[in-house]
Amino acid sequence: DAGVTQSPTHLIKTRGQHVTLRCSPISGHKSVSWYQQVLGQGPQFIFQYYEKEERGRGNFPDRFSARQFPNYSSELNVNALLLGDSALYLCASSLGQGASEAFFGQGTRLTVV
Amino acid sequence: QKEVEQNSGPLSVPEGAIASLNCTYSDRGSQSFFWYRQYSGKSPELIMFIYSNGDKEDGRFTAQLNKASQYVSLLIRDSQPSDSATYLCAASGYSSASKIIFGSGTRLSIRP
Repeated sequence: DAGVTQSPTHLIKTRGQHVTLRCSPISGHKSVSWYQQVLGQGPQFIFQYYEKEERGRGNFPDRFSARQFPNYSSELNVNALLLGDSALYLCASSLGQGASEAFFGQGTRLTVV
Repeated sequence: QKEVEQNSGPLSVPEGAIASLNCTYSDRGSQSFFWYRQYSGKSPELIMFIYSNGDKEDGRFTAQLNKASQYVSLLIRDSQPSDSATYLCAASGYSSASKIIFGSGTRLSIRP
């Protein structure tokens, strides 16, 4: 069984650019959540999507947006990149809307220069 | 005040001993609690979850929850060098079940 897959694994962008990160959840899982993890900190919640609708949003600026597709895969978009957006972006998959037993993908390491 | 607090460590434990990791949380509405293990440069891996007061055992791992004290712990018995990692404590609430709040993690080092 495939786990949560994220692409790309690494990315280098320039300040002001736009980035799109992708996530495919575990087969049968309908909920996808996005987290940002800065070095030395725990993951910070950005968004949750369930059944293609936004069900939760963390304390992130409007430059961050996401969506979920009919096949339950998801994209995270970040506009007008800042140096401080450099982080590991994690996608978590869970069966239902509740946060129980969320499983993480390998993450996308974003570096903004 | 952070919503989930952990001692950052590092916590150094000899091989074969019991490692004890602790965590406190501030939101009394928290319902579910998780322990994730994260190796350097890797993503978090779920190792235990607990919802009810008391102990929950899974192999060498025991999670303990005390809702009255807002305290969660993880015991690792017979510690192995492969247990060396950062351990993240996390909580979620019924009212915001979509959101998991993580602590900053405790670095655990098992010395041979």
